[in-house]
Amino acid sequence: QVVLQESGPGLVKPSETLSLTCTFFNGSMNSTNFYWGWIRQAPGKGLEWIASVFFRGDTHFNPSLRSRVTISVDTSKSQFSLRLRSVTAADTAVYYCARDALLLRGFDLWGQGTTVTVSS
Amino acid sequence: ETVMTQSPATLSVSPGEGVTLSCRASQSIKSDLDWYHQRPGQAPRLLIYRGSSRATGIPARFRGSGSGTDFTLTISSLQSEDFGLYFCQQYNNWPFTFGPGTMVDIK
Repeated sequence: QVVLQESGPGLVKPSETLSLTCTFFNGSMNSTNFYWGWIRQAPGKGLEWIASVFFRGDTHFNPSLRSRVTISVDTSKSQFSLRLRSVTAADTAVYYCARDALLLRGFDLWGQGTTVTVSS
Repeated sequence: ETVMTQSPATLSVSPGEGVTLSCRASQSIKSDLDWYHQRPGQAPRLLIYRGSSRATGIPARFRGSGSGTDFTLTISSLQSEDFGLYFCQQYNNWPFTFGPGTMVDIK
């Protein structure tokens, strides 16, 4: 059974960089069938797509976060990562990694989510 | 950016009843729309892709329809596991955008 799992610190100080990694278990990321994405959900709010990456490194970003976001992939480790710079309290959220199945065009597999709080 | 809206914001339903949820896009997105269900404390789950196709394991009581700017998710005979938040999401153009969600709770 394929699984996605997020990892990273749960607490980040304002102005610092949030770094998260998503590991894909029991499968290969070397596929033309998927993008790999990050989505977040602030407390009591809806979902916000952050960025997506293809296994070859092609990327797409939400313009609202583009200037602060880096997304990368390491297929040898079956991982992809998110870095969000200069965080503020507004970046406090549950961060999900998810697989975008290009044949469906939907996020068909999600991690369980990791809560990141921005606070000093 | 395509802005997604959903209505109603909240819906109170008795088990066994049917419901219809609406999603509207600020511009035509053809049929490039997904529906997700999220239970409290859980990640969203894909229900419907391409506007009307059920994802793997999704029962037939879930039906998606619509194209262009107006979409509908119909759930016939709600079960206890169907309560929670429902989101629509467009993938017609970058950035992907989600609707604000409809909360379906128990009457």
